[in-house]
Amino acid sequence: KAGVTQTPRYLIKTRGQQVTLSCSPISGHRSVSWYQQTPGQGLQFLFEYFSETQRNKGNFPGRFSGRQFSNSRSEMNVSTLELGDSALYLCASSFGLAVYNEQFFGPGTRLTVL
Amino acid sequence: DAKTTQPNSMESNEEEPVHLPCNHSTISGTDYIHWYRQLPSQGPEYVIHGLTSNVNNRMASLAIAEDRKSSTLILHRATLRDAAVYYCILREDTGRRALTFGSGTRLQVQP
Repeated sequence: KAGVTQTPRYLIKTRGQQVTLSCSPISGHRSVSWYQQTPGQGLQFLFEYFSETQRNKGNFPGRFSGRQFSNSRSEMNVSTLELGDSALYLCASSFGLAVYNEQFFGPGTRLTVL
Repeated sequence: DAKTTQPNSMESNEEEPVHLPCNHSTISGTDYIHWYRQLPSQGPEYVIHGLTSNVNNRMASLAIAEDRKSSTLILHRATLRDAAVYYCILREDTGRRALTFGSGTRLQVQP
């Protein structure tokens, strides 16, 4: 079974631009979560989607948004990029929303904002 | 969210058992205890989870204190590949279900 895939793996943008990251979950998984990892703040939860609906949201500004498609694939978008948005963005999929479901993480997209 | 406390770092020798502690004194009755690890340059990886009873899987064992205020992840024979940051996470069964990562324990394994 293929794992979680994220594209692109690396991205360089400049301040003020916007970016879209993509995540393909494991086949059969319907829940997708996004996390941001930085050296200073560690791993922080962005949002969670299930059946095309956002079910949970972390404490990030409205510049961070996401969506999920009917095939469970998900995208996240960051508008008006700031230097502080440079981070590793991780996507995780799970079978469902239950707290005992393990989350499977992708390799991440490394975003650098210049 | 209930908090967890872990040592910043631990060292082990290859092929020896490793006991990684986690304190979670404010755990509620519906919180599941999850352990994830993150190897260098990779996304986090699920290790094990439990609610009240001790759990075993092919990767590790999880020992949960009777009062559930602490738990220990046990790697029975550490290998160099087990060098990673280990995160102990409480996931509540109501409301927010997201994984709330702390700073974790950085495990170093010496050959």
